[in-house]
Amino acid sequence: AQSVTQLGSHVSVSEGALVLLRCNYSSSVPPYLFWYVQYPNQGLQLLLKYTTGATLVKGINGFEAEFKKSETSFHLTKPSAHMSDAAEYFCAVSEGSGGYNKLIFGAGTRLAVHP
Amino acid sequence: EAQVTQNPRYLITVTGKKLTVTCSQNMNHEYMSWYRQDPGLGLRQIYYSMNVEVTDKGDVPEGYKVSRKEKRNFPLILESPSPNQTSLYFCASSIWEKRDEQFFGPGTRLTVL
Repeated sequence: AQSVTQLGSHVSVSEGALVLLRCNYSSSVPPYLFWYVQYPNQGLQLLLKYTTGATLVKGINGFEAEFKKSETSFHLTKPSAHMSDAAEYFCAVSEGSGGYNKLIFGAGTRLAVHP
Repeated sequence: EAQVTQNPRYLITVTGKKLTVTCSQNMNHEYMSWYRQDPGLGLRQIYYSMNVEVTDKGDVPEGYKVSRKEKRNFPLILESPSPNQTSLYFCASSIWEKRDEQFFGPGTRLTVL
């Protein structure tokens, strides 16, 4: 079965600093990979996804993630953090044939941004 | 506005008292799903539904029931809640072809005493 590991349950950065949230997955087949964001008191929103093709994927709000098959990683980055980026971020992998199937979520990383 | 709504948003109850959390979506989505979110565990799927009258167990279905009598509604039923069901619950929906791009409701925080 596929699984997702997010390194670091809490990450704190200064406003304007680089954001790096780490995600590693295990999968026996080419995975479909996702990042979801959960703002305080809200449901999850899709931030970006990788299916096939270009390994660098751009999402909303200036975030991007790079699929590295050799490292089984899908880390999320943003060059300059903004206060509004404070949220919980979930990496997920899609399990099942054809890629479009059940989502398996990581445990989440809570991002704090301080002035 | 396209959205998934859940009610109630907050609920405190006692062990054994049956409760229902409603979920409704206005996007004509075929696929609907319930998750529970617990610290350090992320989201785990409880039940899902592929369409009206078609439901199936997710990863943690014990102690829960669901029904899908109408396409827009997917209520979660706890017949006899227990304290280990204290959690944050999310309903989500999507079109069938994109079951991994789900729209999530705002969540229901349930406390069972």
